[in-house]
Amino acid sequence: SQTIHQWPATLVQPVGSPLSLECTVEGTSNPNLYWYRQAAGRGLQLLFYSVGIGQISSEVPQNLSASRPQDRQFILSSKKLLLSDSGFYLCACSRGNTDTQYFGPGTRLTVL
Amino acid sequence: QKEVEQNSGPLSVPEGAIASLNCTYSDRGSQSFFWYRQYSGKSPELIMFIYSNGDKEDGRFTAQLNKASQYVSLLIRDSQPSDSATYLCAVKDAGGTSYGKLTFGQGTILTVHP
Repeated sequence: SQTIHQWPATLVQPVGSPLSLECTVEGTSNPNLYWYRQAAGRGLQLLFYSVGIGQISSEVPQNLSASRPQDRQFILSSKKLLLSDSGFYLCACSRGNTDTQYFGPGTRLTVL
Repeated sequence: QKEVEQNSGPLSVPEGAIASLNCTYSDRGSQSFFWYRQYSGKSPELIMFIYSNGDKEDGRFTAQLNKASQYVSLLIRDSQPSDSATYLCAVKDAGGTSYGKLTFGQGTILTVHP
């Protein structure tokens, strides 16, 4: 079964600073990868998904971007953080043509 | 816009009772349905999925799906305090261009009291 790693686990950043969150997957090849954000007391919002290296689909227009430089690596970035970017960022993966998604441990981001 | 609705709760049940969690969805073409459990401060973990109308049982958990009514539920038998968590319902979009995309409900907070 796959294992999803995310780092850092927690992050406190000032408004206007850049951001880079990393997600790596072990135990599976060519996974579908997803970035979600969960704001305090709210549901999961899909930000980006990727079906392969260099293939990124954006779900919500915002100041965030995603990249997939390797098969099992997914990166979430921002050039300038906003207060509204605070939240719990979750990376998820699904295998092949299955729909079931499994989540990593998440990164809790606080923008001050 | 595709929607997945859950009663936010909190739902409070005594230990040993059956907890019933409900979810409705708007996309009539949806085919795959998932239940996740999320403990406070942690990431969601998959409990079970269901694709066909009817019931699917896994240990103390039973998922029920009624596509005609666009309704999916999760029953937890013999509820334990360790079941206290937020339960998220997720539905896979039916559209061909949204492969793998899940829409999540807001979640139902369940509290099991001794």
